[in-house]
Amino acid sequence: EIVLTQSPATLSLSPGERATLSCRASQSISDYLAWYQQKPGQAPRLLIYDASTRATGIPARFSGSGSGTDFTLTISSLEPEDFAVYYCQQRSKWPLTFGGGTKVEIK
Amino acid sequence: QVQLVESGGGLVKPGGSLRLSCAASGFIFSDYYMSWIRQAPGKGLEWVSYITSSGDSIYYADSVKGRFTISRDNAKNSLFLQMNSLRAEDTAVYYCAAVIRVHERNKNYFDPWGQGTLVTVSS
Repeated sequence: EIVLTQSPATLSLSPGERATLSCRASQSISDYLAWYQQKPGQAPRLLIYDASTRATGIPARFSGSGSGTDFTLTISSLEPEDFAVYYCQQRSKWPLTFGGGTKVEIK
Repeated sequence: QVQLVESGGGLVKPGGSLRLSCAASGFIFSDYYMSWIRQAPGKGLEWVSYITSSGDSIYYADSVKGRFTISRDNAKNSLFLQMNSLRAEDTAVYYCAAVIRVHERNKNYFDPWGQGTLVTVSS
């Protein structure tokens, strides 16, 4: 099973700041990685797939990068609605797996 | 609009059974691969099961293999998860989600998701 390790567990930032979230895979997964956003009481929402492609309707302030084992989700300037938990997910091998999540909280 | 609505959750005793349903609307359900994904209270996401559009290929997480069965009824735009021999560790919100299609190719990422249905396994 491919293990995805997300860091940090919690990121405390202010609106307008840049957020950089990391996801590391236990083995190479090419660019087969997605990022999701989940707000309290809501279902996750797909933000980025194949490491760097924004899903439909996702604002340009969200960007993804990386390949192989190291991936990054960047939020260029945090909006109030961006404070949430973010998960990565790989589709390289079965079983499909998710990272443990990074909570982006208001400082 | 595209919508997935889960139902069938509830409180069940260890060893019991439950059948979850997911009603799809706003898209051509029969074209889409589907999955169930769960989230234990206060925890992260865990993929549970996956079924292709015709139902000819099915996958399960090891944690549920032999106990859970995924199925679908394309005529009724519905996805199901039969859960047997339930354990306390199966307690979670269960989401159904569609596998995305890009240029008519399936990529095993999920969008959209339903709102989830809570399954609680407790005596």
